[in-house]
Amino acid sequence: QSVLTQPPSASGTPGQRVTISCSGSSSNIGSNYVYWYQQLPGTAPKLLIYRNNQRPSGVPDRFSGSKSGTSASLAISGLRSEDEADYYCAAWDDSLSGPGVFGGGTKLTVL
Amino acid sequence: QVQLVESGGGLVKPGGSLRLSCAASGFTFSDYYMSWIRQAPGKGLEWVSYISSSGSTIYYADSVKGRFTISRDNAKNSLYLQMNSLRAEDTAVYYCARAYTAMWFDPWGQGTLVTVSS
Repeated sequence: QSVLTQPPSASGTPGQRVTISCSGSSSNIGSNYVYWYQQLPGTAPKLLIYRNNQRPSGVPDRFSGSKSGTSASLAISGLRSEDEADYYCAAWDDSLSGPGVFGGGTKLTVL
Repeated sequence: QVQLVESGGGLVKPGGSLRLSCAASGFTFSDYYMSWIRQAPGKGLEWVSYISSSGSTIYYADSVKGRFTISRDNAKNSLYLQMNSLRAEDTAVYYCARAYTAMWFDPWGQGTLVTVSS
């Protein structure tokens, strides 16, 4: 059971907007930055969003992140077939002795 | 360009040991924190360990504490993970990643597979 809770799956059709949620607590999302990673099939994860809502260079502006209280969201607009991947949220947890935590991951299917 | 290349994975028996390496290039290795993250077959990501740029600050996941040791050699631009008392549940692809700060990993290496089985 992950400390950060994500829906196991999400789906959308090309051109749609989808959101993926990440729920935590005051000791992780509530007091630290949230990061999002995209893992395409058979590849290593790639940074998608850092510090809640910042995009690294090269990441399309179709991807956006937000945070409110103890929850965070990743939004993907103008969905494309190449967005089909696993998405993970991550945060530091101040209350844990092993403080790095990932969400369980959300598999996004483009229908 | 920035590159991280892991090595040292393989098949090991339960209770055995393995040492993973991560060779870094394309950036000033000694300026950055580094981390190991693993992914069991068909499962999600699990943060394993984190080391500061000088090696003076280290964190471990509870699942590996006391069995795994992270270290680095800034002169050799290399990160290491010494894994002892390995268990079947340690079977995973192990990724090294450059860390800007806690949980901010960019980029990641391609990963090395560790299989613990008799």
